[in-house]
Parts: sequence; structure tokens; C-alpha cells
Amino acid sequence: AQSVAQPEDQVNVAEGNPLTVKCTYSVSGNPYLFWYVQYPNRGLQFLLKYITGDNLVKGSYGFEAEFNKSQTSFHLKKPSALVSDSALYFCAVSPYNPGGKLIFGQGTELSVKP
Amino acid sequence: DAGVIQSPRHEVTEMGQEVTLRCKPISGHDYLFWYRQTMMRGLELLIYFNNNVPIDDSGMPEDRFSAKMPNASFSTLKIQPSEPRDSAVYFCASSPRNLWDTIYFGEGSWLTVV
Repeated sequence: AQSVAQPEDQVNVAEGNPLTVKCTYSVSGNPYLFWYVQYPNRGLQFLLKYITGDNLVKGSYGFEAEFNKSQTSFHLKKPSALVSDSALYFCAVSPYNPGGKLIFGQGTELSVKP
Repeated sequence: DAGVIQSPRHEVTEMGQEVTLRCKPISGHDYLFWYRQTMMRGLELLIYFNNNVPIDDSGMPEDRFSAKMPNASFSTLKIQPSEPRDSAVYFCASSPRNLWDTIYFGEGSWLTVV
């Protein structure tokens, strides 16, 4: 069965410092991997996705994520955090097959302090 | 270009009442999803449709929940009778062609059952 884990419920970072939000997955076959962000009282917004190709994926708002097949990870990163990055971040995975559903992790609350 | 539109945005209802949540997906999208978000259970996929046909309703919690998609531009999620444990944020989302395409979320319907 496919699954995705976000081991940290909360990540605290000082503004200007690099940030990492962790995600590991379990899926049979090749995965499709996604990051979504949810600001307070809003719906989820797409940040970036890995389908195939370059393991380093760049997305919106300066975020990037690295696909690591051997470690089954897809960590979200940003070189310099902003206070406005504070939000709830979701990792999601779907197996590469027509019937595969997108499964979301539990979410990680990112707090960036000035 | 309008995104996914949900109504009502907020609803407070009494236990035992019928609740109907509505959704207009993005025009041209083949897939429509209903998700529920709670603090305890995170983001759960309730049901999804492909070209107006329900494909997987395994996430619907019980028979009190039902969903329909009478045409490509409208879907409803109904709870009858409602219970306090149904209090949650319900998201409708749509995606263009495949289950692994980017999913576009609505702003959510915040349901409180008292």
C-alpha cells in the first residue's frame, strides 16, 4: 500500500535561514511526488511536483525539492526563509499507474520567526 | 480564470439536519475530488469522479454521506443526518486529465454541527 510520512509536526526557522521540511514515501513502482501549501483559512495550493527527470525540482516562491530514490525521500527546501512562508505544508504521493490516487501526508506546520 | 468554487464557505447547523455542500470545478477538468480535513485525521479523500462518474467512494465514512455529479460543472456532497463529528473543512478539488496531474483546490466549506 502506498503511504507518505512527514516526520515533523512542526518546523521552526528564523527568517533568512535555510529551511527543510521532510517527506518520505512508500509506493510500488515509480512515484509521482508533490508538495502543497495551505495558508490559514485557505485551500491547498500547488508548490511543485516530481514526475520524472532531474531529481532537483524547482517550484513556486523559491521552493525546491530533491527526489532521492534510494532513501525514498522528497524533502522540501528553501535557501532563505521568509516570515510569509509560515503555513502548513503537505507532501503527497501517487503511484505511476492510471488508477493511482494521490495520498497526502499529515502536514508539517512551518513557523518562520523574524 | 476562475478556480474551484465552493459554497457555502461557512455553515453552522444542528445535529440531525441535512447539509449540502456544492462545488463548481474548473472548466475542462476531468477529475473532481471531495476531501475532508480535520485536526485528528488530517486530509482524507472521500470520493472522486472521472467525467462525472464516481470512481472510488471508499473514503466516504458512512451511509449518511453521499455525493453526486450530475454534470461536468457541478457536484454536491450531502450529509443526512449530520452529526457533531462531521464538523470539519470539506474541500472540493479538480484536476485536468490524470490522477497525477496537479490538483486545484477550492477554498473549502467550513462545517460546524452543533
